[in-house]
Amino acid sequence: AQKITQTQPGMFVQEKEAVTLDCTYDTSDQSYGLFWYKQPSSGEMIFLIYQGSYDEQNATEGRYSLNFQKARKSANLVISASQLGDSAMYFCAMRLSASGTYKYIFGTGTRLKVLA
Amino acid sequence: EPEVTQTPSHQVTQMGQEVILRCVPISNHLYFYWYRQILGQKVEFLVSFYNNEISEKSEIFDDQFSVERPDGSNFTLKIRSTKLEDSAMYFCASSHTEAFFGQGTRLTVV
Repeated sequence: AQKITQTQPGMFVQEKEAVTLDCTYDTSDQSYGLFWYKQPSSGEMIFLIYQGSYDEQNATEGRYSLNFQKARKSANLVISASQLGDSAMYFCAMRLSASGTYKYIFGTGTRLKVLA
Repeated sequence: EPEVTQTPSHQVTQMGQEVILRCVPISNHLYFYWYRQILGQKVEFLVSFYNNEISEKSEIFDDQFSVERPDGSNFTLKIRSTKLEDSAMYFCASSHTEAFFGQGTRLTVV
């Protein structure tokens, strides 16, 4: 079964601290992509970071990094130096490809609250 | 920076009415998607669209739903005979490598 699992419904972190949001995935595909999206209270979905299944180096984008452990099928998001504006819902997603097209499936999300 | 735009941002409709949700994907993207998110719940895949046809659809995407690319820029989701349980945030996305989402249309069926 192709599935994304986020086991942390909610997380708290102190401002300026680092936080790790967990994501595990399940697929038998060899080629896939892993993504993290941020959804603030306003509702939009903001792309944060992408990791391809063949990428050997962990992806980084500013304060975001993706801790990709292929053997363990995990793709955790690390946010360094948390800011109050990081408070939001975070979704892990997997892109699968079949017959030349793509499909994204999402986890249930983790609500992050950054404390002042 | 290019972005996916959706209109309207909020739509209220009476049960049984038809609604059309509009999206303008990023211009050089080839893949288009509709997702929905019922309040407080997960993001659910509805349909993907490539090369002017549906490439995959979920079990949610039944005969009540249809998608269209009426011209070179717009991508629409039509929901016929809306039900209360269709109330949700509907996201359009387009992708080349990574998918970029629009800001969503909040549909409220009353």
